[in-house]
Amino acid sequence: DVVMTQSPLSLPVTLGQPASISCRSGQGLVYKDGNTYLNWYQQRPGQSPRRLIYKVSSRDSGVPDRFSGSGSGTDFTLKISRVEAEDVGIYYCMQATHWPPTFGPGTKVDIK
Amino acid sequence: QAQLVESGGSVVQPGRSLRLSCTASGFNFSSYGMHWVRQAPVKGLEWVAVISFDGRNKYYADSVKGRFVISRDNSKNTVYLEMNSLRRDDTALYYCATVSTTPFSDYWGQGALVTVSS
Repeated sequence: DVVMTQSPLSLPVTLGQPASISCRSGQGLVYKDGNTYLNWYQQRPGQSPRRLIYKVSSRDSGVPDRFSGSGSGTDFTLKISRVEAEDVGIYYCMQATHWPPTFGPGTKVDIK
Repeated sequence: QAQLVESGGSVVQPGRSLRLSCTASGFNFSSYGMHWVRQAPVKGLEWVAVISFDGRNKYYADSVKGRFVISRDNSKNTVYLEMNSLRRDDTALYYCATVSTTPFSDYWGQGALVTVSS
């Protein structure tokens, strides 16, 4: 299975300041069709996961544009340009290029 | 509006069986592969199993292979997870989800809590 790692695992941030989460995969995530199947999920306290980003950088409908995804190969990043109170939660990267799908351990974002 | 509703969660003794159900509405269920993903208390997300849109192909995590069975009934818009020989480390919130890689297609239920305890 492809191992996904994230850093940091805990990220205290100041409201209005940027935040960045790194995700690394144990293998390259380019599929034979040329796409890279890397998703980012947000899980707010007490809620189900919600997808924010798919295929590295495509933002889901309704996701604020302060969220952006980037990266290639084995290194990926989720950025929040200006953290708001509603962004508190745990963020997971997930690869779906190789079977089975695997999730990173999660990064807990909270407010300083 | 797309919705997934899990049911069947319960407290069960080690070694016993339990079946979870997940009923979909608001999207074309029979066109989607369906996944079960679990989350142990205060832990991260662990993928458990997937079934193809037509039910022909099924894959399992090594941790549940041989014990869990995924199935679906497209006439009822429902996916199931039959869990046998349950162990304490199967205790988790079980989500059904589409876990998609395409736009407008990633849906998750609210989860069904399974507690394995004597």
